[in-house]
Amino acid sequence: QKEVEQNSGPLSVPEGAIASLNCTYSDRVSQSFFWYRQYSGKSPELIMSIYSNGDKEDGRFTAQLNKASQYVSLLIRDSQPSDSATYLCAVNSGGYQKVTFGTGTKLQVIP
Amino acid sequence: GAVVSQHPSRVICKSGTSVKIECRSLDFQATTMFWYRQFPKQSLMLMATSNEGSKATYEQGVEKDKFLINHASLTLSTLTVTSAHPEDSSFYICSAHEYRNTEAFFGQGTRLTVV
Repeated sequence: QKEVEQNSGPLSVPEGAIASLNCTYSDRVSQSFFWYRQYSGKSPELIMSIYSNGDKEDGRFTAQLNKASQYVSLLIRDSQPSDSATYLCAVNSGGYQKVTFGTGTKLQVIP
Repeated sequence: GAVVSQHPSRVICKSGTSVKIECRSLDFQATTMFWYRQFPKQSLMLMATSNEGSKATYEQGVEKDKFLINHASLTLSTLTVTSAHPEDSSFYICSAHEYRNTEAFFGQGTRLTVV
């Protein structure tokens, strides 16, 4: 069983719409959750981190965490073509600072 | 966020040679750094955990004699791919954390091509 699961996509949304990216994790004791954006050929860039249940907003991005359901999501409002990338969900588990990544969801924002 | 610098960004080498990749934390001290490999259209695969002043911890299936890791200071870790083969061609990425911070910051990555 994969530790961090994501739908690989691609997820296509029209420009201006809300993109919703989902992630589930298996380790119940996980405490830290992250969303990274990775453009093709580039390394991941941290977008959001979330540590407690509920929503966390930063600009057009909102991360949502539900530890009871072992579920974390990322909402991107007013999606732009420049948001087209692969989004990686990451969970801190299995040891100090060790982060496990999902396989990523490819997002395509259609102009 | 914290800045991690990785060098070189791209390298081409001949089969049988060795290649060294550097990962530096520029504005913080990193007692732990991580090395990942990523094949096209696949996710990050953790290769090893680099610990300052001690031996690296390798993930299952990663050859420690082939992928030599040295973490000689709190700001520098190096990965040396020894006796490189074409199947070692990949995108290698390092990450580092500030002390007691679980957020990982990534270097720019190194595209290795072995010919």
